[in-house]
Amino acid sequence: NAGVTQTPKFQVLKTGQSMTLQCAQDMNHEYMSWYRQDPGMGLRLIHYSVGAGITDQGEVPNGYNVSRSTTEDFPLRLLSAAPSQTSVYFCASSYSPGQITWGTDTQYFGPGTRLTVL
Amino acid sequence: AQKITQTQPGMFVQEKEAVTLDCTYDTSDPSYGLFWYKQPSSGEMIFLIYQGSYDQQNATEGRYSLNFQKARKSANLVISASQLGDSAMYFCAMREGHSKLTFGKGITLSVRP
Repeated sequence: NAGVTQTPKFQVLKTGQSMTLQCAQDMNHEYMSWYRQDPGMGLRLIHYSVGAGITDQGEVPNGYNVSRSTTEDFPLRLLSAAPSQTSVYFCASSYSPGQITWGTDTQYFGPGTRLTVL
Repeated sequence: AQKITQTQPGMFVQEKEAVTLDCTYDTSDPSYGLFWYKQPSSGEMIFLIYQGSYDQQNATEGRYSLNFQKARKSANLVISASQLGDSAMYFCAMREGHSKLTFGKGITLSVRP
């Protein structure tokens, strides 16, 4: 298993540009999520999905869109990049409570994408 | 109010000694899970250990153990026999019921040779 993969690893954008961060997992996990990590802030949840076709907002959703057309993929779209979106972005996946017994829904993270918006 | 609190400043430990990283949490949900992750300088997030709110015993995974004190709402990570490779940022996280994971702001651990 490749686990959780993210592309690209690094990206530089200009203000106003759009782009999509890719995330894929091959563990048949229903639950997928996107976080951003900023210095001194820990990880903050942007959007998450509990299964194909179902998405919901997290703590900091503004400026980002997601969709979940398949179990494997969960792309994050920046519609019009702003310097405040400069951050490290992590995708994570886990089994959802309906898939497994309680307590084994550990989230596994991708390697991260370091995004700079100029 | 913060759900996960990690207030220690940067921590230092001598190689081969044990170290405790503090984490307190706040929830009114009787069902929750507590997690610790390690983030080395390379940036990846590595799962270390899990404790469920109904677990009777403290979780252990190799050199990692979780000192779970439910009444005090604390879930401290204990690393025994520290190694140089343990130098990293450590995050405590909580899942309430079946909802989302909330992270603390992290603690930096430096292991001295």
